[in-house]
Amino acid sequence: DAGVIQSPRHEVTEMGQEVTLRCKPISGHNSLFWYRQTMMRGLELLIYFNNNVPIDDSGMPEDRFSAKMPNASFSTLKIQPSEPRDSAVYFCASRPTNTGELFFGEGSRLTVL
Amino acid sequence: AQSVTQPDIHITVSEGASLELRCNYSYGATPYLFWYVQSPGQGLQLLLKYFSGDTLVQGIKGFEAEFKRSQSSFNLRKPSVHWSDAAEYFCEREGSQGNLIFGKGTKLSVKP
Repeated sequence: DAGVIQSPRHEVTEMGQEVTLRCKPISGHNSLFWYRQTMMRGLELLIYFNNNVPIDDSGMPEDRFSAKMPNASFSTLKIQPSEPRDSAVYFCASRPTNTGELFFGEGSRLTVL
Repeated sequence: AQSVTQPDIHITVSEGASLELRCNYSYGATPYLFWYVQSPGQGLQLLLKYFSGDTLVQGIKGFEAEFKRSQSSFNLRKPSVHWSDAAEYFCEREGSQGNLIFGKGTKLSVKP
């Protein structure tokens, strides 16, 4: 299997622009997670889905952030409008069941100027 | 609240020396425990996991970890560190609700 695939790997944008990050989980996995990693705050869970349904979005910073999972093979994390403090590496991870180890993508590095 | 503590932010060891990275979790029913490694520019990769049974678990790359309920600890060890082990290491616990809690990470540097 190709693993968890994230795109883009790098994104540089200007404050106020819309950003969309994409994730393709491993085929057959039914849980998907979005994390944000910064030096200051470490690894933060933003939201996770089980069977395409959002289970816990309490980590989503504010209304500017939204996540969708329209089907089992695709998820998006959208930031609109983006701000410099959103600069971070965003990771997507999936797992085959509702418990157990996570399989991480390589991350999307976002820089908001 | 459930939590995971990695008390050491940064550790430096000499190549060939032994390594122990500390992890403590908050009190609760026996959690599922994991150690992940993150190399620069990469995602996290699972090193090992503990669900139940033998409290000493073996992982990839020569790592092992020991679950000690009495100390609420799950420390990661390696008898002889290689330069390629330089990375950041994360301890994680899974709670009873399936929620995931990561520690802040420990960055390992290896001196030649």
